[in-house]
Amino acid sequence: VQLVESGGGVVQPGRSLRVSCAASGFTFSNYAMHWVRQAPGKGLEWVAVISYDGNQNYYADSVKGRFTISRDNSKNTLSLQMDSLRAEDTAVYYCAKDYDVRGTYYFDYWGQGALVTVSS
Amino acid sequence: SFVLTQPPSVSVAPGKTARISCGGDNIGSKSVHWYQQKPGQAPVLVIHDDSDRPSGIPERFSGSNSGNTATLTISRVAAGDEADYYCQVWDTNSDHQVFGTGTKVTVL
Repeated sequence: VQLVESGGGVVQPGRSLRVSCAASGFTFSNYAMHWVRQAPGKGLEWVAVISYDGNQNYYADSVKGRFTISRDNSKNTLSLQMDSLRAEDTAVYYCAKDYDVRGTYYFDYWGQGALVTVSS
Repeated sequence: SFVLTQPPSVSVAPGKTARISCGGDNIGSKSVHWYQQKPGQAPVLVIHDDSDRPSGIPERFSGSNSGNTATLTISRVAAGDEADYYCQVWDTNSDHQVFGTGTKVTVL
C-alpha cells in the first residue's frame, strides 16, 4: 500500500488550494478514505471522510462548508478542495485509508503528508 | 462532540512498563484504536479494536478498554518506543472520527 500526497504549498488567507493523494497497492474503490491534519507542534485532527463509492462524506466542524472531499476511483485518487483558507488551517495534511468501506473504523495506512501554509 | 483525554506526557525507564490512558464518556462501549507517531513521520497503527495488534507490531504493545478509560500498555520499553501516542474512536452521535489529545512517551 502506498499513499502519496501532493499539492501542498503556501497560500494567502481567503484563497483556495487543492491537495491530492495517489493510492496504489490495494483496491482503492473498496475502501473509505480520510484526510487528517496536524498543525505545527499540535496533535492529530480528523478533517473529512468519503465512503468507498463517494456517496457519503462527513466533515469536521472546523472545515464544514469550506472544504470538499472527493475521489476518482478510475484514477485511484483522493482530493481535498480547500476554500476560504485561514491561518489556522496551516498544517500537514495526511491522506489515510480506512479499514472499512464507510470510514467509521480505523486508519490502517497513512501517506507521508503535504504541508499547507496559509500566510500573507 | 465526543472528547478523548490523554495525559500530556509519560516518562518510563528502559525495560519498564508504560501505561497511557485515554478517557472518554463510556468509552468502553466503543472500539478504541491507537497510533504511534515519531518526529517527522506519519502515524502508525499499533492497536485496533481495543486490543488487537496489526501484523508487525511487537507483542510488547497491548491494549484494554473498560468503563470510561482505555489503556495502551507498552512492556519492556525500549528507546525506540519514544514517540507521541494517540487514541481514536468513531463517534456515532456526530459521525466524526475523534482523536485523543496525545501523549508524549519519554524513555529516561
